[in-house]
Amino acid sequence: GAVVSQHPSWVICKSGTSVKIECRSLDFQATTMFWYRQFPKQSLMLMATSNEGSKATYEQGVEKDKFLINHASLTLSTLTVTSAHPEDSSFYICSARTSGSSVGLEEQYFGPGTRLTVT
Amino acid sequence: GQNIDQPTEMTATEGAIVQINCTYQTSGFNGLFWYQQHAGEAPTFLSYNVLDGLEEKGRFSSFLSRSKGYSYLLLKELQMKDSASYLCAVLANDYKLSFGAGTTVTVRA
Repeated sequence: GAVVSQHPSWVICKSGTSVKIECRSLDFQATTMFWYRQFPKQSLMLMATSNEGSKATYEQGVEKDKFLINHASLTLSTLTVTSAHPEDSSFYICSARTSGSSVGLEEQYFGPGTRLTVT
Repeated sequence: GQNIDQPTEMTATEGAIVQINCTYQTSGFNGLFWYQQHAGEAPTFLSYNVLDGLEEKGRFSSFLSRSKGYSYLLLKELQMKDSASYLCAVLANDYKLSFGAGTTVTVRA
């Protein structure tokens, strides 16, 4: 099946610094990738939709200047958390959408997630 | 906005059957997914329903009724490794997935 990787798997940073998280589709091309955030014991909340070669679309309430998304190629999207604060500590998960899969046109494959802790 | 409801927790005995219900009210409908998520890990795909009826995949089955805005995930012959959170997610008109809060299933010996 399709594999999505994320790097790093966990990161600790100091308040005020920036952190970059990479999401890669390893064996398929993904024109669309999604970034989610999950706080403890809560569900996944979509932050933004990343389309290759164009600007990301952010969900309501998500600061686009704080969460910078770059989808430079069909296999790589990056999320940069700028000027991180402790309240940004969360589990960040990306997913990549394939088309024409056996399940249907809209199956998403999830990366393993990145645990961010801001001290 | 989207509204997806599922129970918070369920407990069952090893070897038993558990049914996790999910009701939804969304802006359009393009399919319903069930995912399994173990603590600290990303969700893994279990099933996808876009037409009414039952989809069976080994020990897991998923049912959909679009007119009722209702789905369930049925886990049979429960094993200890099935202890996890189960997420119901709906693909709405904008082709974005909206997730329920998840149901934590605990399997006891």
